Amino acid sequence: DVKVTQSSRYLVKRTGEKVFLECVQDMDHENMFWYRQDPGLGLRLIYFSYDVKMKEKGDIPEGYSVSREKKERFSLILESASTNQTSMYLCASSFLTGTYEQYFGPGTRLTVT
Amino acid sequence: QKEVEQNSGPLSVPEGAIASLNCTYSDRGSQSFFWYRQYSGKSPELIMSIYSNGDKEDGRFTAQLNKASQYVSLLIRDSQPSDSATYLCAVNGGGDEKLTFGTGTRLTIIP
Repeated sequence: DVKVTQSSRYLVKRTGEKVFLECVQDMDHENMFWYRQDPGLGLRLIYFSYDVKMKEKGDIPEGYSVSREKKERFSLILESASTNQTSMYLCASSFLTGTYEQYFGPGTRLTVT
Repeated sequence: QKEVEQNSGPLSVPEGAIASLNCTYSDRGSQSFFWYRQYSGKSPELIMSIYSNGDKEDGRFTAQLNKASQYVSLLIRDSQPSDSATYLCAVNGGGDEKLTFGTGTRLTIIP
């Protein structure tokens, strides 16, 4: 059974704080993705990684960075949180080749005040 | 810019009827197509994948793909109240590992 977990379901942070969101998958997937989801805007890709220490920018990387030190773990970092980063953050993973099916974690609802 | 378009709804369907959800995409080179179900406050759950023209059936769900017309649809037979959710269409262009998502169609099954 596929399993993607995220470190927190709900998170409240203050403007200017450094925020770490962590994602872990146990499916031996090579690819991992971070999205944010906002009403009316759908799912937007922030960053993805296709291997350890490898990363590529998605559609909206500004204000975010990522880290992938181990295959199963992909972290999203908000260097200095701002109110416009209040959103639902979703992690997903998939195999490098084959079906392109992505499996999502439960999400983190982040509120920046 | 690759685009995936869905009618945002809401789409209301009586219990027991067939729900029909549609999606069009702009990238003619797209290779893989997916339907995700997302309950309110939850994350997307993959329910169907389709890779070639035609129909693919899985229980009460049927995905239909027409690459020439660049659309993919999802039919839900014998709709149940538990099918009430937002359905996301996602497309892979074949050039990389990424998916492009539509904004989703909100489906409500009326008892």
